[in-house]
Amino acid sequence: ELKVEQNPLFLSMQEGKNYTIYCNYSTTSDRLYWYRQDPGKSLESLFVLLSNGAVKQEGRLMASLDTKARLSTLHITAAVHDLSATYFCAVDPSTGANNLFFGTGTRLTVIP
Amino acid sequence: DAGVTQSPTHLIKTRGQHVTLRCSPISGHKSVSWYQQVLGQGPQFIFQYYEKEERGRGNFPDRFSARQFPNYSSELNVNALLLGDSALYLCASSRRAAGNEKLFFGSGTQLSVL
Repeated sequence: ELKVEQNPLFLSMQEGKNYTIYCNYSTTSDRLYWYRQDPGKSLESLFVLLSNGAVKQEGRLMASLDTKARLSTLHITAAVHDLSATYFCAVDPSTGANNLFFGTGTRLTVIP
Repeated sequence: DAGVTQSPTHLIKTRGQHVTLRCSPISGHKSVSWYQQVLGQGPQFIFQYYEKEERGRGNFPDRFSARQFPNYSSELNVNALLLGDSALYLCASSRRAAGNEKLFFGSGTQLSVL
């Protein structure tokens, strides 16, 4: 069974600092997604990574994909309080369906 | 444009009862997927429907069933509810069944089974 592991599970960081969230997965896939979830809310799509070496950036967040290492990273630059949320990576095993396998999530708290 | 809409937003049931959750996809989206998110975990895939046909099924018991209507809206049914079915049920839509498709999620239905 496909496994998706994120680390850290919990991250508390000060405003202005940089940090990276890691997402490892156990099967071959070249499609990886990052989502954000605020407490009690639904999932917001952040990035869609579709090939080895893909890098996408939006504001203070940058995501990358290394399909050979089965690793994706979400890098946070100069964190601000508004980034506090839970971040999920999700892998598409390309079964012909939109069947995403989600990681357990990283709960990020940015301290002013 | 309206996003993915789900109803009801909250639901309380007792063990053994039946529940029906509803989802309307974004206009023009023909694929609807259902996910279960237990508190503190990532969403887990239940079903996908595309053009009214089942395209994928996750590792859930037969108590879970779904269908898609001609207008592409969808229902998720759960029979003989168990305490462990308490979760946030998320519906997601996309234009196509698979490929490089971004999923758009609804706000979910919070189901509590007592």
